[in-house]
Amino acid sequence: DVKVTQSSRYLVKRTGEKVFLECVQDMDHENMFWYRQDPGLGLRLIYFSYDVKMKEKGDIPEGYSVSREKKERFSLILESASTNQTSMYLCASRGPFFSETQYFGPGTRLLVL
Amino acid sequence: QKEVEQDPGPLSVPEGAIVSLNCTYSNSAFQYFMWYRQYSRKGPELLMYTYSSGNKEDGRFTAQVDKSSKYISLFIRDSQPSDSATYLCAMSRTTGGTSYGKLTFGQGTILTVHP
Repeated sequence: DVKVTQSSRYLVKRTGEKVFLECVQDMDHENMFWYRQDPGLGLRLIYFSYDVKMKEKGDIPEGYSVSREKKERFSLILESASTNQTSMYLCASRGPFFSETQYFGPGTRLLVL
Repeated sequence: QKEVEQDPGPLSVPEGAIVSLNCTYSNSAFQYFMWYRQYSRKGPELLMYTYSSGNKEDGRFTAQVDKSSKYISLFIRDSQPSDSATYLCAMSRTTGGTSYGKLTFGQGTILTVHP
């Protein structure tokens, strides 16, 4: 079974703090993704990575950066957290290149005060 | 206009009902169509996957894709309380022969099945 884990289920941070969200997958997948999920807006892609040290912007990258130093680990960084980044953050990894299936972690619910 | 539109509901049905969930999309380049199910406080999990037009059945679930109308559907027969969840449609296209698997999601439909 594919397992995608996220470092925290719930996180409370203050405006201006630097926030790290970490995601680990155990299936040697090439591609990993970070989404945020907000009511009425569905899942929106922030960044994705198709290989170690490779990254591409998704639809809403502003205010975020990512890091992928090892194949199994993909980190999302909020350089200076703001209240409008309060959201549910979901990490996903994708199987072999011929597979369109993404496997999701349980999510991190982030509250920025 | 969003690339993928999905009625957010909420949808409330009695146990045993047939449920129909739908999405429309605007980009004709989409070729892979998926339905994800998300239980409360969990990540989404893949429920159904289809490539191009046609129907696919898996137990009580049937996924339909009509590319000519840019319309996809998920039908749930004999719905159960355990089907209560948010259902998300998702789709992707092939980019230059190599797909990174980028998905575009609908807003999600919240479904409640009452005993």
